[in-house]
Amino acid sequence: GQNIDQPTEMTATEGAIVQINCTYQTSGFNGLFWYQQHAGEAPTFLSYNVLDGLEEKGRFSSFLSRSKGYSYLLLKELQMKDSASYLCAVKDRDDKIIFGKGTRLHILP
Amino acid sequence: DTEVTQTPKHLVMGMTNKKSLKCEQHMGHRAMYWYKQKAKKPPELMFVYSYEKLSINESVPSRFSPECPNSSLLNLHLHALQPEDSALYLCASSQQWGAEAFFGQGTRLTVV
Repeated sequence: GQNIDQPTEMTATEGAIVQINCTYQTSGFNGLFWYQQHAGEAPTFLSYNVLDGLEEKGRFSSFLSRSKGYSYLLLKELQMKDSASYLCAVKDRDDKIIFGKGTRLHILP
Repeated sequence: DTEVTQTPKHLVMGMTNKKSLKCEQHMGHRAMYWYKQKAKKPPELMFVYSYEKLSINESVPSRFSPECPNSSLLNLHLHALQPEDSALYLCASSQQWGAEAFFGQGTRLTVV
């Protein structure tokens, strides 16, 4: 079966750093995406990892360890507008993209 | 143009109605997707079209019928829906199947 686990909710303070973890067990692995989704809006693409290691893009970084079935999204210098759900999505061996349940991130002033 | 456009934004329909959702992209993407998303749940894949051919149907009931008239357009025809089909329906496209997907803003569907 396909299983993607993320924490349901997290809270952090404006200006701080937060790490959102994702573990997966899927039928094959061809890559991992992170998406941001504000309430009532469509998901927007943040990052894509297919090889082990860290990908940095401005305030956001994403890490992948394929041997551990593990990824994290790191958000630095948090801003109030970062309050959103963060979805981990895995591409399986058939290139189907399966979404995790998402992590709702609350930013406090 | 880096947008995926969906119409209508909101739709209320009765259980005996027939309606269609429309999706359009002009990025030259060759894969297009329909997802269904219930409140506080992740998007669930319904259909994948790759090069205008239906590649995946995730055991979706026949009251949902997709159509891809050309490489820029994707429709979802709705007939005899149930109240539990009320959800946000998201269209997405990617350069090819499995690549980074761009999502439209969705159609919020309410079945009464």
